[in-house]
Amino acid sequence: QSALTQPASVSGSPGQSITISCTGTSSDVGGYNYVSWYQQHPGKAPKLMIYDVSNRPLGVSNRFSGSKSGSTASLTISGLRTEDEADYYCCSHTSSSTRIFGGGTKLTVL
Amino acid sequence: QVQLQESGPGLVKPSETLSLTCTVSGGSINTYYWSWIRQPPGKGLEWIGFIYFNGGTNYNPSLKGRVTISVDTSNNQFTLRVSSVTPADTAVYYCAREGRPYDSSGWFDPWGQGALVTVSS
Repeated sequence: QSALTQPASVSGSPGQSITISCTGTSSDVGGYNYVSWYQQHPGKAPKLMIYDVSNRPLGVSNRFSGSKSGSTASLTISGLRTEDEADYYCCSHTSSSTRIFGGGTKLTVL
Repeated sequence: QVQLQESGPGLVKPSETLSLTCTVSGGSINTYYWSWIRQPPGKGLEWIGFIYFNGGTNYNPSLKGRVTISVDTSNNQFTLRVSSVTPADTAVYYCAREGRPYDSSGWFDPWGQGALVTVSS
C-alpha cells in the first residue's frame, strides 16, 4: 500500500491560518470517515489532534480543525503559534482494514 | 489514565528476530485494538499491524509475512515480532491503542514513548 500524499512542507506566520492536505483513494480516505491527524515534535511520540475526519479529542485546541472532500482530507490550523511548528501526519482506515499514514508535512512558523 | 510502555532489546543482528513488548497500565487491554507503528530515523510513520484483545490480527502487507503480533491479556501486554530483520528495519517502534472500545476505526491514542531498535552486526 502506498502512503497517502501530503505536501512535504508548509509555512505560515504567527496568527495566520494554514491548511495541510492528505490525498488518498476511494479505498481509504475517500471510502471512510476514518481519517485522523497527528502532531509530532522532534524526539516525541505523535499526538492525536483530529479523529474521524473532524473530531477533536479533549484538550486539543479549537484552532485545529479537519475536513474531507472526496479522497482528500485537510487539516487547518488557525491563529498559528510558534508551538505549532512540528511534523503533521494523516492516517486513514483502508478497505483491507489496515491503516495507512501520509508521508508527513513539516510545518514551519516563520 | 492508560499508559503504554515499550520494552525490548535496542540492538538486533541482521537476519535475527526483533521482539518488543508493550505493557499497558492504568486500564485493561480488553475490548480494544492495539497497534504497532514504526518510524525510521528522519522518516515518516509506518503502520505495522494491530491485534484485538481476542487475538485477531491484521498486518501491513508490505512487511511480507515477517510480522507477528500476539497478546497476553493476563499480563496486559502485547508483543511484536519481526523476523529476518535488515538495517532497513532500524526505527523507533511505537505501540498505541486504537479508537474506541470494540472499534477498529484506526485512530491512535494514547501512544507509548517509543523504543529505538537498531539492526546492525
